[in-house]
Amino acid sequence: GEDVEQSLFLSVREGDSSVINCTYTDSSSTYLYWYKQEPGAGLQLLTYIFSNMDMKQDQRLTVLLNKKDKHLSLRIADTQTGDSAIYFCAESANDYKLSFGAGTTVTVRA
Amino acid sequence: GAVVSQHPSWVICKSGTSVKIECRSLDFQATTMFWYRQFPKQSLMLMATSNEGSKATYEQGVEKDKFLINHASLTLSTLTVTSAHPEDSSFYICSARAVLAGGTDTQYFGPGTRLTVL
Repeated sequence: GEDVEQSLFLSVREGDSSVINCTYTDSSSTYLYWYKQEPGAGLQLLTYIFSNMDMKQDQRLTVLLNKKDKHLSLRIADTQTGDSAIYFCAESANDYKLSFGAGTTVTVRA
Repeated sequence: GAVVSQHPSWVICKSGTSVKIECRSLDFQATTMFWYRQFPKQSLMLMATSNEGSKATYEQGVEKDKFLINHASLTLSTLTVTSAHPEDSSFYICSARAVLAGGTDTQYFGPGTRLTVL
């Protein structure tokens, strides 16, 4: 199956930028997604990028995709305490199934 | 964005009983829904793909007779955990497939159901 890997933890100071990295192995990935999960809740779709794009910006979120290296990153500008959560990277190919990374726990400290 | 609900949000049951979890797409129709299981501090594991009007497709290692899935309408899929045992205790999350403007395929997730089997 497809492998998606992420670093497990990130600690960032409030107001700084957060960068969460993800690598994947499936070269046939069509879409790549970032989801946010708060404690005890389901997943919230934050943003996505089509595999033929290099970058996508949506307010405080910037997604960078390096398809050659199969590397995806999510940058959160001006990180706030409400951004503390687990962030999952996911990819899908033509069968619409999502393969998730293990999730990166982001802790925002004052 | 689209809303997906799950019911119940949490359930505690005795070993040997069956538990039904509902997943509803509230403001859109979903021909395909997915059921995931999440263990503490771990990622989501896809259990099965639920297709409206047809049999569910189970991932390798998932017992179809233990985890019964029914997708009888375009807005409702149910997961029944039959003869539940403590090892079935987990967080179960459903999602509904949707196509965004521009043709992007995505999934909207329910809030999850915490199942505890005593």
